[in-house]
Amino acid sequence: GQNIDQPTEMTATEGAIVQINCTYQTSGFNGLFWYQQHAGEAPTFLSYNVLDGLEEKGRFSSFLSRSKGYSYLLLKELQMKDSASYLCAVRDLNYGQNFVFGPGTRLSVLP
Amino acid sequence: DAMVIQNPRYQVTQFGKPVTLSCSQTLNHNVMYWYQQKSSQAPKLLFHYYDKDFNNEADTPDNFQSRRPNTSFCFLDIRSPGLGDAAMYLCATSRDGTGVNEQYFGPGTRLTVT
Repeated sequence: GQNIDQPTEMTATEGAIVQINCTYQTSGFNGLFWYQQHAGEAPTFLSYNVLDGLEEKGRFSSFLSRSKGYSYLLLKELQMKDSASYLCAVRDLNYGQNFVFGPGTRLSVLP
Repeated sequence: DAMVIQNPRYQVTQFGKPVTLSCSQTLNHNVMYWYQQKSSQAPKLLFHYYDKDFNNEADTPDNFQSRRPNTSFCFLDIRSPGLGDAAMYLCATSRDGTGVNEQYFGPGTRLTVT
């Protein structure tokens, strides 16, 4: 089976840096995706990792360690609009290459 | 702009009254997905189509059905909605559902069952 864990909630201050962790257990790993979801809206794609290392995209970076079953999303220069849920999703070969989503981390950015 | 469109955005139905949610896409993607998302929970995959091939998740209730008459459209039919079916229903597409191809989500339909 699959198991994906994320912290339920995090709080950070505007302008700061925050790291959202995701751990996963799956035997058919084929990529990890991060999505942002504002309340009542659809998830939007942020980043993709399939090899170990850091992928940087502007203020957002994502890191993957396949041996540890671990990823994090790093948000720099936080803005109020970054307040949202952040979903970690693993593509699983044993699940028809479908996504298994983590429970999401609700980030609140305070002034 | 190419996108995933869901109608309606909000749907109210009565307990036991069949309801259909619709999704259309202009991305010409091969794969279309339906997810159920309840408050503060992760999206849960109900089923997906790869072209015309239908793939049902093992734990999706029989109450939920889907149709994909062509590449652009996909429908979610709930035959006899119960109170527990109240949720946000998300439609998503993917070019071929593999590798780097991410899923593009529609805005969702929020279903209320009275």
